[in-house]
Amino acid sequence: DQQVKQNSPSLSVQEGRISILNCDYTNSMFDYFLWYKKYPAEGPTFLISISSIKDKNEDGRFTVFLNKSAKHLSLHIVPSQPGDSAVYFCAASVGGAQKLVFGQGTRLTINP
Amino acid sequence: DTGVSQDPRHKITKRGQNVTFRCDPISEHNRLYWYRQTLGQGPEFLTYFQNEAQLEKSRLLSDRFSAERPKGSFSTLEIQRTEQGDSAMYLCASSPSLFRVYNSPLHFGNGTRLTVT
Repeated sequence: DQQVKQNSPSLSVQEGRISILNCDYTNSMFDYFLWYKKYPAEGPTFLISISSIKDKNEDGRFTVFLNKSAKHLSLHIVPSQPGDSAVYFCAASVGGAQKLVFGQGTRLTINP
Repeated sequence: DTGVSQDPRHKITKRGQNVTFRCDPISEHNRLYWYRQTLGQGPEFLTYFQNEAQLEKSRLLSDRFSAERPKGSFSTLEIQRTEQGDSAMYLCASSPSLFRVYNSPLHFGNGTRLTVT
């Protein structure tokens, strides 16, 4: 039972353009959502999060949007830079618990 | 802040052998987590500790797996009688208890990659 799904295994974007990564979830009890970034041979690194009481959170080039009715969240990166090339995981949790449920990941490649 | 440290980085073992991994969390973090990541998948929760108490175990954690955090600092994850299906990246993470209040989510180590031949 995959409660958090990232349906795009990979995404290729030109440098300077916007990257949009998508994530869908099925458990309506999830109330906290996060994005992690992972480089090869390293552990995931926290990027940005959003609580279910909000629909948008912004941090520099990164913005996360949450659509609770659609059970969908997205991460926007603008402008995209070569250093953004990595695997991006969305994750969710219930009731403030720190047990995170992760999606399968999307490999983002930024082309010069 | 030296980050979460995991040892070893890589482990190759033969089927049926026992292996043990170590995790040293960020020093002021009282919560410690173990996750497992297989190829093409996201990390999956295995277990977590609040100080020395193991508060939750996933059904993924079979009887061959045991985790300890004896003094509430470092933790070990042991796999007995390893099987080829145990081959994965084992990730450790730590956080303070009230991470949502302080917006301090899980901090992951670089993992231990286990290969069972």
